[in-house]
Amino acid sequence: EPEVTQTPSHQVTQMGQEVILRCVPISNHLYFYWYRQILGQKVEFLVSFYNNEISEKSEIFDDQFSVERPDGSNFTLKIRSTKLEDSAMYFCASSGGANSGNTIYFGEGSWLTVV
Amino acid sequence: GQSLEQPSEVTAVEGAIVQINCTYQTSGFYGLSWYQQHDGGAPTFLSYNALDGLEETGRFSSFLSRSDSYGYLLLQELQMKDSASYFCAVSRMDSSYKLIFGSGTRLLVRP
Repeated sequence: EPEVTQTPSHQVTQMGQEVILRCVPISNHLYFYWYRQILGQKVEFLVSFYNNEISEKSEIFDDQFSVERPDGSNFTLKIRSTKLEDSAMYFCASSGGANSGNTIYFGEGSWLTVV
Repeated sequence: GQSLEQPSEVTAVEGAIVQINCTYQTSGFYGLSWYQQHDGGAPTFLSYNALDGLEETGRFSSFLSRSDSYGYLLLQELQMKDSASYFCAVSRMDSSYKLIFGSGTRLLVRP
């Protein structure tokens, strides 16, 4: 069964450093997302990406964050100058859109620890 | 804005039936999804309702009433492995079909 894959599964970084989280969405999907989940809290929407551009972003997704789809398969989240409060699980997700029932499939997550 | 309400915790016995309710407030409502998440794991899709009524998938069923802005997830023949958090999530008629999640219901299944 096709799945969303993410790397790394866990990363520890020092405050102020840049981090890039990588994702390979399901191959025929059109919509890509990043969500985050702080330990013990709900899953929060960060950004959606469609047709090679950001279609929507939340208040959390400030200038510190950026996303890219550098080629036909990868989808990355970059966090510049990480802060302690960026420590969370980051989930990549993808969807085929309305034509496939709008189901959004999540990767296993990248656990980011900022120290 | 949007808001979703679901109970924070539910406890049930193995083999029993449990219902997890979700009420929502959002403009441009498109559909209600349910996800399961085990500790440290990814949200896993369970069910989706865009129209009123009941959707059944094995031991899990989900119900939606658009007029009441209400839905529920029904889990039957509970097993120990069903102990997890369950999230309802709404999607809206916007450009990204993103999901907005509720705070989750932690289900504990006891022997």
